[in-house]
Amino acid sequence: HLQLQESGPGLVKPSETLSLTCTVSGDSISNGTYYWGWIRQPPGKGLAWIGNIYYTGITYYSPSLKSRVTISLDTSRNQFSLELSSVTAADTAVYYCARAQSRDWFDPWGQGTLVTVSS
Amino acid sequence: QSALTQPASVSGSPGQSITISCTGTSRDVGAYKYVSWYQQHPGKAPKVMIYDVNNRPSGVSNRFSGSKSGNTASLTISGLQAEDEADYYCSSFTTSSTLVFGGGTKLTVL
Repeated sequence: HLQLQESGPGLVKPSETLSLTCTVSGDSISNGTYYWGWIRQPPGKGLAWIGNIYYTGITYYSPSLKSRVTISLDTSRNQFSLELSSVTAADTAVYYCARAQSRDWFDPWGQGTLVTVSS
Repeated sequence: QSALTQPASVSGSPGQSITISCTGTSRDVGAYKYVSWYQQHPGKAPKVMIYDVNNRPSGVSNRFSGSKSGNTASLTISGLQAEDEADYYCSSFTTSSTLVFGGGTKLTVL
C-alpha cells in the first residue's frame, strides 16, 4: 500500500528558501514506471502544478516557477524533495507530493502540508 | 501557460446528471489524450477520478465518465449523490512536457 508523507517547516520567512521532503513507503522511488511530483494549493484557491522528477533525475518544472524551484531525489532514503527560493507571501499554500503515473496524472497524494510565508 | 478554464460552480439534484467542462488550447487539452479529473473534499487531498480522458482508476464509481472534443474535455457524473458534492479539477499534459490544472469547479448537490 503506497503512502506519501510531506514534512518540513510550516513557517518560512520572506526571501528565504522553502524546503520540503516527501517520504515514500510501499514502493521504491527508483521504480522506473513512475514520476514523482509536487503540487500546491493557496488557501481558498485552486491546484497548481510545481514540477515532476523521474527516477533518473530528469526534472520538469512549471514555467512560472522554474527560476526558483529545484526538485531532487534521495534514493537511499526513498524520499524526494522540493526547494523554492526567494519566497513571498504568494507562496503560502498547502503543498502536496504525489506519484505521477505516466507523467500526467497523480495517484496517490500525500495528505498535504501548509507552509506559511511570513516574517 | 494559462490555467484551463472551468465553470466556477455547477449544481444538480440527487439522481440527476451533471457535466463539468474544461477548456484549453491546442497546446494542452487538444494536443493529447492526457486529461485527468480530480475530486477534492474540504480539507482533503485530491483524488483522481478520471485519467487519460476517459479511464477510471480501480475503485472509482462508473457514475463518473470523461470525454474530449477538440480543446474541451468534460467530466460527467450521473446519478448524483450527496457524497459527490466537492470541488473538481481538470488537468492536462502540454506540448512543453508540463502540466496545467483548471481553476476548479464547485459541485453542489441540491
